[in-house]
Amino acid sequence: QSVLTQPPSASGTPGQRVTISCSGSSSNIGTNYVFWYQHLPGTAPKLLIYSDGQRPSGVPDRFSASKSGTSASLAITGLRSEDEADYYCAAWDDSLSGYVFGTGTKVTVL
Amino acid sequence: QVQLVESGGGVVQPGRSLRLSCATSGFTFYDSAMHWVRQAPGEGLEWVAVISYDGANYYHAASVKGRFTISRDNSNNILYLQMNSLRPEDTAVYYCARGHGYNRIDSWGQGTLVTVSS
Repeated sequence: QSVLTQPPSASGTPGQRVTISCSGSSSNIGTNYVFWYQHLPGTAPKLLIYSDGQRPSGVPDRFSASKSGTSASLAITGLRSEDEADYYCAAWDDSLSGYVFGTGTKVTVL
Repeated sequence: QVQLVESGGGVVQPGRSLRLSCATSGFTFYDSAMHWVRQAPGEGLEWVAVISYDGANYYHAASVKGRFTISRDNSNNILYLQMNSLRPEDTAVYYCARGHGYNRIDSWGQGTLVTVSS
């Protein structure tokens, strides 16, 4: 079981805004940066957000993220069909001395 | 561009060993921390291990500690994962990934499938 908890699913129609939460603790999100990854089945995962809220070059500004205390969230605005994928939060956990991924959220575009 | 190519996956019986390799190119391997991450069928991503740029420091997930060992060859730009005492629950696609420090995984390979079954 992951120490980072996400809702199993989220959905929206094209153009809508979808948010995904990620709940952790003081040993991970509360102390260290949060990262977000997008994963389409059968492909390599992709870094979407780093250091809580920074976007790598090439990631559309439709993707944004924030953090407060021991929780974080990812927002997708202007939802598009190609955004249909699994999304994972992640952070280093000082207590576990390891990197932890969230439970994952499947985003469906209706 | 960054290329990470995993190999060594396959079908193996429980209790046996397997070594995965990850051939890398397109970046300065000896400057980068490296990770292994896996995904079991129908499950989410699970971090397996990370090794520092020089191989001096490494960490393993509790689920594999004592059975798996991450290592690297900076002369040949190759990352390894030695997997011993394999269990059916180790069945997964194993991804090699480049780290920016221990936290930020910014490039991933396509993965290699390991199936542990009798």
